[in-house]
Amino acid sequence: EADIYQTPRYLVIGTGKKITLECSQTMGHDKMYWYQQDPGMELHLIHYSYGVNSTEKGDLSSESTVSRIRTEHFPLTLESARPSHTSQYLCASSWGPGSEAFFGQGTRLTVV
Amino acid sequence: AQSVTQLDSQVPVFEEAPVELRCNYSSSVSVYLFWYVQYPNQGLQLLLKYLSGSTLVKGINGFEAEFNKSQTSFHLRKPSVHISDTAEYFCAAISNFGNEKLTFGTGTRLTIIP
Repeated sequence: EADIYQTPRYLVIGTGKKITLECSQTMGHDKMYWYQQDPGMELHLIHYSYGVNSTEKGDLSSESTVSRIRTEHFPLTLESARPSHTSQYLCASSWGPGSEAFFGQGTRLTVV
Repeated sequence: AQSVTQLDSQVPVFEEAPVELRCNYSSSVSVYLFWYVQYPNQGLQLLLKYLSGSTLVKGINGFEAEFNKSQTSFHLRKPSVHISDTAEYFCAAISNFGNEKLTFGTGTRLTIIP
């Protein structure tokens, strides 16, 4: 069983609010990822990190930001939520090449 | 960088029939390959992976996949499906060189018909 946790699982929030989606892993993985996924659709990489103080933007442009101050923690922040941000956000971590990525349960965000 | 193509967006199959979900990849270097399953409102769970060695890889829930280097394919198969196999299936690849990121295909929705 993977030790990667996302909170909250579900979030409904008003337009303009600032939100932070939490992701933590206890496996000591260096690599961490954030994916955005609309229901029944493909995964889009929006951010990734190779280690502490290392973050990169992914393939899909996103208005969110991330930080990696500790190995185990990789939070994603939206400064001003909009309805277009409504989606599921999946966090994952891995050792690196040759190692599978472990996924959290996801956060389903709805902005009204 | 690598890319992954899943040729079928939806696959309906009768219960107890065999199924094959297709995946092709392209990469200028060697890659590691994975199949993940996603049940509704859940994260992704690893089904199986190919790193090296035997080209036939067995995974959980009776699934297996065959790595074919000449055809750059990694198709997923199961000889007899069950209702509980209804889910979204994702093929993924990562280069075994450097700090490459995991790349996913667009997914295949497998629907089992009773």
